[in-house]
Amino acid sequence: QQQVKQSPQSLIVQKGGISIINCAYENTAFDYFPWYQQFPGKGPALLIAIRPDVSEKKEGRFTISFNKSAKQFSLHIMDSQPGDSATYFCAAVNFNKFYFGSGTKLNVKP
Amino acid sequence: GAGVSQSPRYKVAKRGQDVALRCDPISGHVSLFWYQQALGQGPEFLTYFQNEAQLDKSGLPSDRFFAERPEGSVSTLKIQRTQQEDSAVYLCASGSNTEAFFGQGTRLTVV
Repeated sequence: QQQVKQSPQSLIVQKGGISIINCAYENTAFDYFPWYQQFPGKGPALLIAIRPDVSEKKEGRFTISFNKSAKQFSLHIMDSQPGDSATYFCAAVNFNKFYFGSGTKLNVKP
Repeated sequence: GAGVSQSPRYKVAKRGQDVALRCDPISGHVSLFWYQQALGQGPEFLTYFQNEAQLDKSGLPSDRFFAERPEGSVSTLKIQRTQQEDSAVYLCASGSNTEAFFGQGTRLTVV
């Protein structure tokens, strides 16, 4: 049973546009929600993270929106750039165990 | 080193061969995780260490998989009698309770 469901599977956005990736979870014991960015041949790298007591966190062009009651969280990439083209994974953490979504392959067209 | 280091980067094994994958975590990191990432998928949890203690091995897919971290630093993931379905990227991460830093992974191909 997949603990974290992520959508869409792939996303194409024009340069300068907004990229939005969504995740949903069921286990209310999760207490930390990071997003990871992965380039081909590389390991996932932490991008931004949020705790469930906060509804939004912004770092530069990246924003996490968190809806605790709906058990959903999303990543928004503002002013998307070709260099943002990568696979993005959401994750939910409980007792040091990270549960990852299945990933979203983002392609930002120049 | 500055980050998590894994070796080898690539490993081709014949079916039935034993393999050993190494992870050098970031110095001082207590937690160490192993994940298996199939092509086009997110990482799947295998096992977790806190120092030398293996606190969770619930993700290991079979008894052919074995992990150790004898001195609380370097860890080795061993796969015995490899099968084709073991082909994947094996990621190691070290960190704190809520932040994991990943290595580049070892791509294992079983032929």
